[in-house]
Amino acid sequence: DADVTQTPRNRITKTGKRIMLECSQTKGHDRMYWYRQDPGLGLRLIYYSFDVKDINKGEISDGYSVSRQAQAKFSLSLESAIPNQTALYFCATSDPGARNTDTQYFGPGTRLTVL
Amino acid sequence: QKEVEQNSGPLSVPEGAIASLNCTYSDRGSQSFFWYRQYSGKSPELIMFIYSNGDKEDGRFTAQLNKASQYVSLLIRDSQPSDSATYLCAVNAYNFNKFYFGSGTKLNVKP
Repeated sequence: DADVTQTPRNRITKTGKRIMLECSQTKGHDRMYWYRQDPGLGLRLIYYSFDVKDINKGEISDGYSVSRQAQAKFSLSLESAIPNQTALYFCATSDPGARNTDTQYFGPGTRLTVL
Repeated sequence: QKEVEQNSGPLSVPEGAIASLNCTYSDRGSQSFFWYRQYSGKSPELIMFIYSNGDKEDGRFTAQLNKASQYVSLLIRDSQPSDSATYLCAVNAYNFNKFYFGSGTKLNVKP
């Protein structure tokens, strides 16, 4: 079984709808992240969480919210989806390690299309 | 200025050749440097990371780091068609708050 799973894998929705993307992990990592990827722009950090009580905004948090329900679960919500939120969304986890490297381990991604 | 810069490519090399992928970064406080491989429509997979100046080898892959020049590279020896993918460079300061990915270089290995 995959260490980091995301649901749904694909979603098509309409402008103004509320959407939730879910992420679960069995790696036992405390740190979890949400990224979006757009062609030519690489990966951009939306939110990250270092533990259940710690939530932080990333580079592009506007229009998004998150919930860390448990160590293993981290959800991303789009309260009112808009077309420019069409992208590939990745969840990731990390363990800081001895040198605090925070190597990122990614889920399979969710392809979201907002019409 | 972007935090991490990569040439978008595509970089085309013949099978069996050495592919050289380059990355520069702007934050001198960066401590850890990563190379990920991403096939089209798939998630990034870690190839290797490096945090000390010099070379680090893992099989056909060698990462090279020069902190003075703020430059990190990835060499792929004996390139195979299966190496055709987009390669993402990422850097991290000692505290996570500054973890950035480049936009990636697309590599094509021609049989």
